[in-house]
Amino acid sequence: EIVLTQSPATLSLSPGERATLSCRASQSVSRYLAWYQQKPGQVPRLLIYDASNRATGIPARFSGSGSGTDFTLTINSLEPEDFAVYYCQQRSNWPPYTFGQGTKLEIK
Amino acid sequence: QVQLVESGGGVVQPGGSLRLSCAASGFTFSTSGMHWVRQAPGKGLEWVTFIVYDGNNKYYADSVKGRFTISRDNSKNTLYLQMDSLRAEDTAVYYCASWARLGDFNYWGQGTLVTVSS
Repeated sequence: EIVLTQSPATLSLSPGERATLSCRASQSVSRYLAWYQQKPGQVPRLLIYDASNRATGIPARFSGSGSGTDFTLTINSLEPEDFAVYYCQQRSNWPPYTFGQGTKLEIK
Repeated sequence: QVQLVESGGGVVQPGGSLRLSCAASGFTFSTSGMHWVRQAPGKGLEWVTFIVYDGNNKYYADSVKGRFTISRDNSKNTLYLQMDSLRAEDTAVYYCASWARLGDFNYWGQGTLVTVSS
């Protein structure tokens, strides 16, 4: 089973700052990695697929990078609506389709 | 537009059973693999099970193997999850979802809450 480890667990930043979220896989997942955003009471929303492609309707301030075992989600110039929990998910070796434990992005 | 609508959640006693349904529309259900993903209160996302497009292959997380059964009826565009021998730790919002291994095909339902409590 591939384990995804996200860091940090919590990230405290102010609007306008840049957020850098990490997702590390226990073995290579090539580029089969997605990022989701989830706000309280809402369904997870796909942000990034195939490690670096923005999903439809996702603002350009969101970007993904990486391949193999190390991945990064970057959010430039944080907007108030960006404060949420972010999950990475691997779609390489399954079952299971593992998720990271999440990074909570909170307002400082 | 794509819609996935779950139903069947509720409160059940430990050891009990529940059957969830997910009605799909707006895409070709009969050619799409389907998943159930759950989220316990205040916790992260956990993949539960997957069924291929024709129902011939099914995969389960170790935590539910032998207790949960995924199935589908392509004539009704509906996905099911039969949950038996329920435990308190199965309490969660259950989402049905479909995603491609590569690409941006990715749809989730609104979820249905299952509470296992005496």
